[in-house]
Amino acid sequence: QQQVKQSPQSLIVQKGGISIINCAYENTAFDYFPWYQQFPGKGPALLIAIRPDVSEKKEGRFTISFNKSAKQFSLHIMDSQPGDSATYFCAASITDEVNRDDKIIFGKGTRLHILP
Amino acid sequence: DTGVSQDPRHKITKRGQNVTFRCDPISEHNRLYWYRQTLGQGPEFLTYFQNEAQLEKSRLLSDRFSAERPKGSFSTLEIQRTEQGDSAMYLCASSSPSLGTSGISYNEQFFGPGTRLTVL
Repeated sequence: QQQVKQSPQSLIVQKGGISIINCAYENTAFDYFPWYQQFPGKGPALLIAIRPDVSEKKEGRFTISFNKSAKQFSLHIMDSQPGDSATYFCAASITDEVNRDDKIIFGKGTRLHILP
Repeated sequence: DTGVSQDPRHKITKRGQNVTFRCDPISEHNRLYWYRQTLGQGPEFLTYFQNEAQLEKSRLLSDRFSAERPKGSFSTLEIQRTEQGDSAMYLCASSSPSLGTSGISYNEQFFGPGTRLTVL
């Protein structure tokens, strides 16, 4: 059972365009939703994250939109650049110190290619 | 560089051999995680430690896998009698607690570069 579903699998965007990646989750206990960026041969790096008490978070060109009722969230990359070409993973976790269960559940990833 | 480090970066082994990987977390982080990533997939959780205590193990972690963090600092992941299906990137991550509005939580996990294992 895949707890975090991500789409599309791959995405090609022109330089300067907007890249949009979507994710849906099932477990309503999730309370932390990070996005990770991974370049070939590297480990994932945290890009931006959101908690369900806000509907949007923006950091530079990266924005997370969060819809708690629909159990969906998305990453928007504005003014996409060739250097943004990478694999992006949405993820979710339960940050509950009492349950000590904060492992990250990752989506399958979106391979983004920005055309120069 | 004060990030998470992993050694070796690449390992090629023959089926049936044992392999051991090492992870050095960020020094002040008391939680350490192991994930496995296969080609075209997201990382999958294997196990994690708080200090030297192993708190959770995934069902993915068969009895051929064992992880240790003896002094609460670096960790090792050993795979015995490797199989071709073990070929993957093994990622280590670490985190430290932060105090938020909901109490203490471990949010940001910092990942190392991974060890790519190829079993022939």
